[in-house]
Amino acid sequence: QVQLVESGGGVVQPGRSLRLSCTASGFTFSTYGMHWVRQTPDKGLEWVAVTSYDGGSKYYADSVRGRFTISRDNSKSTLYLQLDSLRVEDTAIYYCAKSSIAVAGSKFESWGLGTLVTVSS
Amino acid sequence: QSALTQPASVSGSPGQSITISCAGTSSDVGGYEYVSWYQQHPGKAPKLMVFDVSNRPSGVSSRFSGSKSGNTASLTISSLQAEDEADYFCCSYSSGTTAFVFGSGTTVTVL
Repeated sequence: QVQLVESGGGVVQPGRSLRLSCTASGFTFSTYGMHWVRQTPDKGLEWVAVTSYDGGSKYYADSVRGRFTISRDNSKSTLYLQLDSLRVEDTAIYYCAKSSIAVAGSKFESWGLGTLVTVSS
Repeated sequence: QSALTQPASVSGSPGQSITISCAGTSSDVGGYEYVSWYQQHPGKAPKLMVFDVSNRPSGVSSRFSGSKSGNTASLTISSLQAEDEADYFCCSYSSGTTAFVFGSGTTVTVL
């Protein structure tokens, strides 16, 4: 049974940084692409980033490119999202989601419960 | 990229069928067979209900079906049940600079 558990959220001031983690279990983490998706307070979902199974390919949404970095440690079955230069509009629940294949795929097959990031002065 | 356009709310009585639309462009919905739908109950994570326009994951009820015509995708829920009351989001692969774009979300109410 796939389990994804996010952590690392919290309250941070604009311009500061935060690192989110997503610990995976129940599947062979090293063979699947992984995504980050966020949900803002008005309930809208927004795709953030994806990494291929080996971390060799990474893609980002326009809204976070150059500020956020996705990475993974397959030895720890853990996905990361480094959030730099945070803005008020980055306030959201951040979910990690599993792809169905080794790269981005066409769907978000399983989701974690999310971790809340609040950017406020 | 702009979000895909969904109606804010759709309602129906138990046993009825409802359809949720998801309007995009030729760069996303119309250009690829990569539309997926997600159900989200309050305070819960989204759940995949339909993928690649019309396929259901194992374990999802056959009451949920997807289709697409041109730049608009649709999710139909037949024999509506109280447990179907939730938010529904569509998503499509996009050829733009952001790889995936979501719909604005539709709240389904069972009367």
